[in-house]
Amino acid sequence: GAVVSQHPSRVICKSGTSVKIECRSLDFQATTMFWYRQFPKQSLMLMATSNEGSKATYEQGVEKDKFLINHASLTLSTLTVTSAHPEDSSFYICSARDRGGQGHTEAFFGQGTRLTVV
Amino acid sequence: AQSVAQPEDQVNVAEGNPLTVKCTYSVSGNPYLFWYVQYPNRGLQFLLKYITGDNLVKGSYGFEAEFNKSQTSFHLKKPSALVSDSALYFCHEGTNAGKSTFGDGTTLTVKP
Repeated sequence: GAVVSQHPSRVICKSGTSVKIECRSLDFQATTMFWYRQFPKQSLMLMATSNEGSKATYEQGVEKDKFLINHASLTLSTLTVTSAHPEDSSFYICSARDRGGQGHTEAFFGQGTRLTVV
Repeated sequence: AQSVAQPEDQVNVAEGNPLTVKCTYSVSGNPYLFWYVQYPNRGLQFLLKYITGDNLVKGSYGFEAEFNKSQTSFHLKKPSALVSDSALYFCHEGTNAGKSTFGDGTTLTVKP
């Protein structure tokens, strides 16, 4: 099946610094990727939809200046957490669908990134 | 409004017993329904999906799910649970592709 690779799997950073998380579709082209945040034992919260070659679409309540998303190619989307604070500590997951991202195809998820801000 | 609901936060079963993880949906028209599993500190893995056709869908690791239109349900089942099945399970509706229509998740614990 299709593979989505997310890097890094774990990162610890100091408060006030920025962290970049990469999401790559390894064997398919993804015009659309999705970024989620997951709190312990809770469901996935969609943060934004990343569109190749255009601006990301952010969900209500998500600060676009804090969570910068870039989708510069058909296989790579990045999420940068700027000026990170301890409350940004969480598990971040990306996903993508093959074949234009239609709803009847399953999504492929990255392995997730555990961000800890100290 | 959430289009899928998982009414149970936690399901506990003994190894070897059948398991059921419940999901109901609320979508106008025909739904696209998926089940995913998540192990600790990992992303989600696809288990199975219902798009059209037979109501009983078979998926990975011996799991299956039955689409029931009259009850608007898509419960995940396995005839004989394994300890290694212990994980977090998510039901997902994909008509609005990618949008946040995941259930809240159900933690399955299979005890030896």
